[in-house]
Order: sequence, then structure tokens, then C-alpha cells
Amino acid sequence: SQTIHQWPATLVQPVGSPLSLECTVEGTSNPNLYWYRQAAGRGLQLLFYSVGIGQISSEVPQNLSASRPQDRQFILSSKKLLLSDSGFYLCAWSDGTGGIGVQPQHFGDGTRLSIL
Amino acid sequence: QKEVEQNSGPLSVPEGAIASLNCTYSDRVSQSFFWYRQYSGKSPELIMSIYSNGDKEDGRFTAQLNKASQYVSLLIRDSQPSDSATYLCAVNLSGGYNKLIFGAGTRLAVHP
Repeated sequence: SQTIHQWPATLVQPVGSPLSLECTVEGTSNPNLYWYRQAAGRGLQLLFYSVGIGQISSEVPQNLSASRPQDRQFILSSKKLLLSDSGFYLCAWSDGTGGIGVQPQHFGDGTRLSIL
Repeated sequence: QKEVEQNSGPLSVPEGAIASLNCTYSDRVSQSFFWYRQYSGKSPELIMSIYSNGDKEDGRFTAQLNKASQYVSLLIRDSQPSDSATYLCAVNLSGGYNKLIFGAGTRLAVHP
């Protein structure tokens, strides 16, 4: 069965520091991968998605970036964190193979990021 | 802008009752619809997918889809206190790439 791992679970960082969050998926090949952010009491905001190695699409202009160095690895980064970057960061995957309709997305446990 | 709308709640129902959660969407071309459950402080968990008009049942959950009215709902029968959570509706965006738009969620509170 497929599993998704995301770490760390919580992170406290000072303003201006760098960020690296990692997500890996097991049990599937060529998944679609996603990074979301959820502010407290709010909905999910799609930040980046990837349909293959090295293919990244950005949804929201910001100081974050994403990379996909391997098929099942997705990394969210920042060179300098802002206070507004605080939130709950979620990685998700969906089946990237063909099929009728759109496949559901499955989420990791998330990283709660606090910027001080 | 394409949107997914949900009543934020809280929707309060007594234990054993039917909880009805509603969602409307603006993209007429959307083909796939999902309901996720999110407990406080946790990540969303997929509970139902629906692709065709009508009802789809899975245990105590029933998803209902009406594409003409751009409306999708989730019924929870025999509600339990453990069902207390925020329920997110998600709708795919037309144009491929398997992107979903999520509603802000409806908070459900089931009281004994």
C-alpha cells in the first residue's frame, strides 16, 4: 500500500532563517505531488504541484520554492522566512497514471511551522 | 475565479441524528468531487469520492451529486461524537493536472 511521510512534525524558526521541508511517498510510481498551506481556521491553499521529476508549477507568488529531485521526493524550501509563512504545511500525492476522472489526493501528517 | 463554497458552521447535531453537509461549486466542467474529514490539528483524510450524478453510499456516509445544480452534499447517518470534525469539500479544476480546489470546510459537532 502507499504511504506518505512528511517531516518534521513541528518547526519553530526565526524570521529570515531558511526552510526545508521534505516529503516522500512509498508504494507508487510517478505520483502527482502537492504542497499546501493551511492558515489557522482557514482552507487549504495550493502552493506547488508536480507531475514529474524536475517539473514544478507554482500557484502563488511568494518567497517559497519547491523541488522534486527524485520521483517520490518533494521538497519545500525558503531562503528567508517571513512571519506570514507561519501555518500548517501539507504534502499530498495522487495517482499520476491515466484513468477516468481525477484521482483523489492523500495527505501526509503535516508540518506545523511557527515563525518567531 | 473558480470557487467552492461551504457553510463554515458549526453544525451541531445530537448523537444518532443525520448530519447534512453541503457544498456548491462554480466550475461547470468539474468532474470529480471529494469529501475529506479533518480532525483538529490533523491532516485531511479522504472519506468519499463521487464522479456521477446521484448518490453513493459507504457505510454511514452518503455523498450526493447534482451537476446541473453544481451541488454536492455529504450525509452522515447515526452521527457519533467521533464524527465531530471539519469536513472539507474538494472539486477538481477543469483543464487537467489533477488540481483540486478545497472549500474552507464545515465544522460538525455531534453532542451526546
